[in-house]
Amino acid sequence: SAVISQKPSRDICQRGTSLTIQCQVDSQVTMMFWYRQQPGQSLTLIATANQGSEATYESGFVIDKFPISRPNLTFSTLTVSNMSPEDSSIYLCSVEGRRGGRNEQFFGPGTRLTVL
Amino acid sequence: SQQGEEDPQALSIQEGENATMNCSYKTSINNLQWYRQNSGRGLVHLILIRSNEREKHSGRLRVTLDTSKKSSSLLITASRAADTASYFCATDNTGFQKLVFGTGTRLLVSP
Repeated sequence: SAVISQKPSRDICQRGTSLTIQCQVDSQVTMMFWYRQQPGQSLTLIATANQGSEATYESGFVIDKFPISRPNLTFSTLTVSNMSPEDSSIYLCSVEGRRGGRNEQFFGPGTRLTVL
Repeated sequence: SQQGEEDPQALSIQEGENATMNCSYKTSINNLQWYRQNSGRGLVHLILIRSNEREKHSGRLRVTLDTSKKSSSLLITASRAADTASYFCATDNTGFQKLVFGTGTRLLVSP
């Protein structure tokens, strides 16, 4: 299994500012994923972060708004840039790991972002 | 949107009753997974069913998959108050764990 931590756990930010969210995994993983969960909604994949290459963004998400770093196999950051109230969401990172002989996806506890 | 649909959106039952949640999706899949989320916190993986499987059990959980109908169901038997949470299905159609989540079902189990 994989244990994932995220920082910060929550933040309240002013519009126009940027916030960088950190995701740390206790084991080396090839792919890390960033999801957004808007209030009362389901999760939407933002991007896939691979070490040593640029992140791959899903439709509707762009690098200028959500720059991602992946400096090594256990760490990634997601920045939410030039924030607006519409960016208020829970941001979660996830990785693929093994448990019970099977692959499954493990999620971090999430970062709850409120933009005023 | 690729997002799957779940129904019901909300379900309220008494402890000891069974809870059934349904998920429909739009594309062919590699596997389908069910997750639980407590109060907007991180997700907990419950069960994965592959596209060539029709039924899976794990403790009080039973998942079925009908690929011809592009649908799945999650049954929680003998529910407990601790089962109160939101439940999401998620499909993986790439094999690389890029998940497409359903809209979720909010389950409330009353003592």
